[in-house]
Amino acid sequence: QSALTQPASVSGSPGQSITISCTGTSSDVGSYNLVSWYQQHPGKAPKLMIYEGSKRPSGVSNRFSGSKSGNTASLTISGLQAEDEADYYCCSYAGSSTMFGGGTQLTVL
Amino acid sequence: EVQLVESGGGLVQPGGSLRLSCAASGFTVSSNYMSWVRQAPGKGLEWVSVIYSGGSTYYADSVKGRFTISRHNSKNTLYLQMNSLRAEDTAVYYCARVGYYDSSGAFDIWGQGTMVTVSS
Repeated sequence: QSALTQPASVSGSPGQSITISCTGTSSDVGSYNLVSWYQQHPGKAPKLMIYEGSKRPSGVSNRFSGSKSGNTASLTISGLQAEDEADYYCCSYAGSSTMFGGGTQLTVL
Repeated sequence: EVQLVESGGGLVQPGGSLRLSCAASGFTVSSNYMSWVRQAPGKGLEWVSVIYSGGSTYYADSVKGRFTISRHNSKNTLYLQMNSLRAEDTAVYYCARVGYYDSSGAFDIWGQGTMVTVSS
C-alpha cells in the first residue's frame, strides 16, 4: 500500500492555470477510473473537488477539472484565485483499499 | 443537514486503547460505505479503514490487527476501536462517507476530525 506520487508544491499567479499530477500504478490509478481530488485549507477537513477522475460535485467551481492518462491522473485549476491556495490530495480506489497521494501545496503568488 | 461529528480523541499512553465515535445525521450510516482517514501532524492524509454497507471491513496494513471498525445502526454511529496504540498513530482522525455510489471511492462528507495523541 504505497502512496500515490504528487509534486510537493506548485505555484502560480492569479488568473493563471496550474496542473497537479498524481502518479500511481496499474493496480490503482491505472485500473480504476476512480480517482478523486481533495482541497484542504489549514486546520480544516478535506473537501471533495473531483470524483471519478473528472466529475465535479455540486457547488465546486468549473475552474477545477480532472483527467487521467494511464497510471497518472491530473488536477487542473484555471483562473487561479487567492482562495485556491491550499493543500491538494489525490486519492485512488484500489479494490479493498484506498490510497492517497502525499499532497501538493499550492501557493498563489 | 448531512453531517458527521467525531468524538473520543485524547491523550493515551503507548500500548493503550481508545474508541473513536462518529455520529451521523441526515443520512443512514448502514446504507453507505464509511471510512476512517487520519492525518499525522504536518503530514498528508492516510486511509485507515472502511466498512461496507454489507458489513465487510478492510484495513490499511499499518493498523491491521490493532484497529477495528464497526457501526451501531440504531445510533447511526460509526466507531473505530484502536488497541496497542503506538506513537506513530498520533494524528487527527476523520470519518468520511463514500458518496454517489458504493464503490465510487469518493469521500463526499467529512467530519471535523478528532485528535489522538499517543505519548507517555
